Amino acid sequence: GAVVSQHPSRVICKSGTSVKIECRSLDFQATTMFWYRQFPKQSLMLMATSNEGSKATYEQGVEKDKFLINHASLTLSTLTVTSAHPEDSSFYICSARDRSLGVETQYFGPGTRLLVL
Amino acid sequence: GQNIDQPTEMTATEGAIVQINCTYQTSGFNGLFWYQQHAGEAPTFLSYNVLDGLEEKGRFSSFLSRSKGYSYLLLKELQMKDSASYLCAVRAGYQLTFGKGTKLSVIP
Repeated sequence: GAVVSQHPSRVICKSGTSVKIECRSLDFQATTMFWYRQFPKQSLMLMATSNEGSKATYEQGVEKDKFLINHASLTLSTLTVTSAHPEDSSFYICSARDRSLGVETQYFGPGTRLLVL
Repeated sequence: GQNIDQPTEMTATEGAIVQINCTYQTSGFNGLFWYQQHAGEAPTFLSYNVLDGLEEKGRFSSFLSRSKGYSYLLLKELQMKDSASYLCAVRAGYQLTFGKGTKLSVIP
């Protein structure tokens, strides 16, 4: 199946700093990528939809100025958590939309575990 | 909006068959996905149904009834490595909404 990578896999930062997470589709072009957040023992919650070449669409309750998304190319989307606080500590997962085989699905990256101290 | 329900936990014996149900109410429907997620890892794609019926893929099968808003994931010949959370996700447009997941424990 299609491969999606995320970097870094784990990050620990101080409160107030910014953290950038990269999401790459390795063997297909993804015009649309999605960013999810998952708290322990909870399901994935969609944060935003990232469209190549245009502004991201944020879900209700997600601050666009805090979670900056840039989808600069067909294979790369970045999520920057600005001025991170301990409550932002979570598992962030991206997925990329693959339509190349005629069956549309989403493939997930391995996730980034963020811990804000 | 979307509302997706699936059991919180299930336990089954190694070598047995287990069925994980998912019911949904949605304002638009464009397919249903099942994902497997091991603890601490991202979900991995298992199956996709957009038409009614059964889709079989090795030990895993998925069924969909759009009129009933119902799907199930069937796992045969259970192995210990199948212990994981199984997420049902409904697509409306191109966005996925996930259920809370069913934690499956496979015991010897």
